[in-house]
Amino acid sequence: DIQLTQSPSSVSASVGDRLTIICRASQDISRWLAWYQQRPGKAPKLLVYSASTLQSGVPSRFSGSGSGTEFTLTISSLQPEDFANYYCQQANSPYTFGQGTKVEI
Amino acid sequence: QITLKESGPTLVKPTQTLTLTCTVSGFSLSTTGVGVGWIRQPPGKALEWLALIYWDDDKRYSPPLETRVTITKDTTKNQVVLQVTDMDPADTASYFCAHRLSFYGLTGTYFDSWGQGILVSVSS
Repeated sequence: DIQLTQSPSSVSASVGDRLTIICRASQDISRWLAWYQQRPGKAPKLLVYSASTLQSGVPSRFSGSGSGTEFTLTISSLQPEDFANYYCQQANSPYTFGQGTKVEI
Repeated sequence: QITLKESGPTLVKPTQTLTLTCTVSGFSLSTTGVGVGWIRQPPGKALEWLALIYWDDDKRYSPPLETRVTITKDTTKNQVVLQVTDMDPADTASYFCAHRLSFYGLTGTYFDSWGQGILVSVSS
């Protein structure tokens, strides 16, 4: 199975900061990758799919890039509501998630 | 508007079988391309995909759990059912059902709508 490794596992940041989260796959997955945001006690929310396509309704400060084995999620200017956990997911069965990145103040 | 809602027991005993139901609205389980998956999350831990069922009744399972998990659907009731046998305290988690994003030309499985989740504890 394909393993996904996110870095960092946690990060402290401030409102207005630019933040990048990395997701590395154990083998080539082309562009079959998604990013989710999960706030405490809530269900995950799809942010990006196919590595770089922004899901409808997601603010443009979020962007995704990458292909093959290395992918990034970038938040251009952190807002208070962006402090949450973020997960990557590869889109070929069996679908796997990364271990998560906690973004905190 | 797509909605999903999980229902079932919140407490089961070790060795019992867990049965969870996902009731969906805003789409049909028989529409080409549609899929519904189950994902779980132990408290404070990462998401783990369990199973997915497609509109044509094709099914996919997570290899580590394949012998314990069964997914089925009832199109007339708009429900997807997950069964997990031989429950263990390590199976304590929030269980989510989610809708697979689908449109012409899209390949791969991404979950664009999620239920609120149901916390299932396993304890004697």
